[in-house]
Amino acid sequence: GAVVSQHPSRVICKSGTSVKIECRSLDFQATTMFWYRQFPKQSLMLMATSNEGSKATYEQGVEKDKFLINHASLTLSTLTVTSAHPEDSSFYICSARANTEAFFGQGTRLTVV
Amino acid sequence: GDSVTQMEGPVTLSEEAFLTINCTYTATGYPSLFWYVQYPGEGLQLLLKATKADDKGSNKGFEATYRKETTSFHLEKGSVQVSDSAVYFCALRSWMDSSYKLIFGSGTRLLVRP
Repeated sequence: GAVVSQHPSRVICKSGTSVKIECRSLDFQATTMFWYRQFPKQSLMLMATSNEGSKATYEQGVEKDKFLINHASLTLSTLTVTSAHPEDSSFYICSARANTEAFFGQGTRLTVV
Repeated sequence: GDSVTQMEGPVTLSEEAFLTINCTYTATGYPSLFWYVQYPGEGLQLLLKATKADDKGSNKGFEATYRKETTSFHLEKGSVQVSDSAVYFCALRSWMDSSYKLIFGSGTRLLVRP
């Protein structure tokens, strides 16, 4: 199957700083990528849908100025958590669409201290 | 709106036991249905899928049948192994949604003991 690589897998940052998470489709081009957030022992909540070359579509309740998404190429989407706070600590997972399937990255564990 | 409901976990079984994880959905039209598995510290992997009523998805000994009459997509395996311990997510994709985004259930943790 198609491979989606997410980096970094773990990151610890200080409160008030920004963190960038990369999501790459390694062997296919993804016109659409998705960013999810997963709280401990809970399901994945869709944050935004990212389309190459256009602005991301954010789900209700997600702050677009805090979670900046850039989809500059057909193989790369980035999520930047700006001015991170401890409540932003979570597991972030990206997904890339390939034809009729979605393939997931390994996830990024963000801890804000 | 569309939604997915899964049985709460954790589910604890002995090796070689029979597994059922219930999943029901609410959606308009004819959604596609999926089961994903998440191993500790990892992202999600597609386990199986079904795109129309009465389809049966199967993979690695797991099966699920798309039942439109009961709006269900229960996951089953005849004989679980310790290596099956993971969190299992039921998900749907709306037939009307051209973006192909997924709606997930809350996940069910499975623990298989030797």
